[in-house]
Amino acid sequence: DIQMTQSPSTLSASVGDRVTITCRASQGISRWLAWYQQKPGEAPKLLIYDASSLESGVPSRFSGSGSGTEFTLTISSLQPDDFATYYCQQYYSQRTFGQGTKVEIK
Amino acid sequence: EVQLLESGGGLVQPGGSLRLSCAASGFIFAGYGMAWVRQSPGKGPEWVSGISASGRTTDYADPVKGRFTISRDNSKKILYLQMNSLRAEDTALYFCAKDETTGTESAFDIWGQGTMVTVSS
Repeated sequence: DIQMTQSPSTLSASVGDRVTITCRASQGISRWLAWYQQKPGEAPKLLIYDASSLESGVPSRFSGSGSGTEFTLTISSLQPDDFATYYCQQYYSQRTFGQGTKVEIK
Repeated sequence: EVQLLESGGGLVQPGGSLRLSCAASGFIFAGYGMAWVRQSPGKGPEWVSGISASGRTTDYADPVKGRFTISRDNSKKILYLQMNSLRAEDTALYFCAKDETTGTESAFDIWGQGTMVTVSS
């Protein structure tokens, strides 16, 4: 089974900050990685697929990069609506989610 | 509007069974793989099972293999999850989700609102 490890688990930031979240896979997954945003009481929302492709309707301040085992999600300028929990997910072999990164207000 | 609507959750005793349903609308259901994903309170999502667009290929996470069965009725645009021999650790909010692309495993671009399953005596 492929394990996904995110860091940090919690991130405190202010509006306007540049934020980076890291996701590591236990084995190479090429670029078969997605990023989701989840707010309390809601389903996850797809932000990025294939490591760096922006889902339709998602603001351009979100970007993804990486391949193989190391991936990052970057929010270029944090907005009030961005305070949420973010998950990475691999779909190279079955599907596995990371444990999540909560972005909270500093 | 593209939509997924789950139903069938509830309270069940350990060892019991439940069948979840997910009604799809707004897209060509028969053209996409589908999946069930669960999320326990305060935890991250966990993929449970997936099924190909035709229904011929299915896959399961190890914790549910042999107990859960995924299926679909493309004529009715409904996805199912039959859950048997339920355990306390199966307690979670169960989401159905749609593959973003056809023909291969992909990210999930559409999610339902979830249906809660509680396994307790």
